[in-house]
Amino acid sequence: DIQMTQSPSSLSASVGDSVTVTCRASQSISRHLNWYQQKPGKAPNLLIYAASSLQSGVPSRFSGSGSGTDFTLTISSLQTEDFATYYCQQSFSTPWTFGQGTKVGIK
Amino acid sequence: QVQLQESGPGLVKPSQTLSLTCTVSGVSISSGGYYWTWIRQHPGKGLEWIGHIYHSGNTYYNPSLKSRVSMSVDTSKNQFSLELSSVTAADTAVYYCARQRSQMTTVTFDNWGQGTLVTVSS
Repeated sequence: DIQMTQSPSSLSASVGDSVTVTCRASQSISRHLNWYQQKPGKAPNLLIYAASSLQSGVPSRFSGSGSGTDFTLTISSLQTEDFATYYCQQSFSTPWTFGQGTKVGIK
Repeated sequence: QVQLQESGPGLVKPSQTLSLTCTVSGVSISSGGYYWTWIRQHPGKGLEWIGHIYHSGNTYYNPSLKSRVSMSVDTSKNQFSLELSSVTAADTAVYYCARQRSQMTTVTFDNWGQGTLVTVSS
């Protein structure tokens, strides 16, 4: 299985900050990488697919980049509603696997 | 608007079989084009993909659970189901059903149910 490792596990930030979350794959996955946001008690919500494509309806302050083994999710100006846990997911090979999550909290 | 809703017992005894159903609305499972999947999340932990099923009944299961998992689809009811046998406390989790699709060259989960907590306990 492809292992996905996110860093940091958690971070604290203020409204308006720019935040970056990193995801590393245990082998090259080209650009087969997606990002999800999950709020407490809710299902995950797709933000970014194919490393950098914004899912319909997702604010443009969210962006993704990377290829191969290293990927980043950036929130350009953090809003109150962005405090949540973020997961990366690879779809290069089955079984599809997720990172362990990065919790973005309020400073 | 696509919606998915999980249903089933919230409490299962050890060694028994966990059974869940996902009812889909807003899209017909039989129309094809999507896979229908189960994902679970252990309390306070990350996400684990369990497997998927196509409208034809073709399935693919996570090898880590393959020996205990079975999925089925009922296109007449627009539902798909999960069975997980010989459960233990380690199977206690929130179980999600989701729609799996191909976007560009990647596979995503673009619509999810709200999730249902299943506790394994005697």
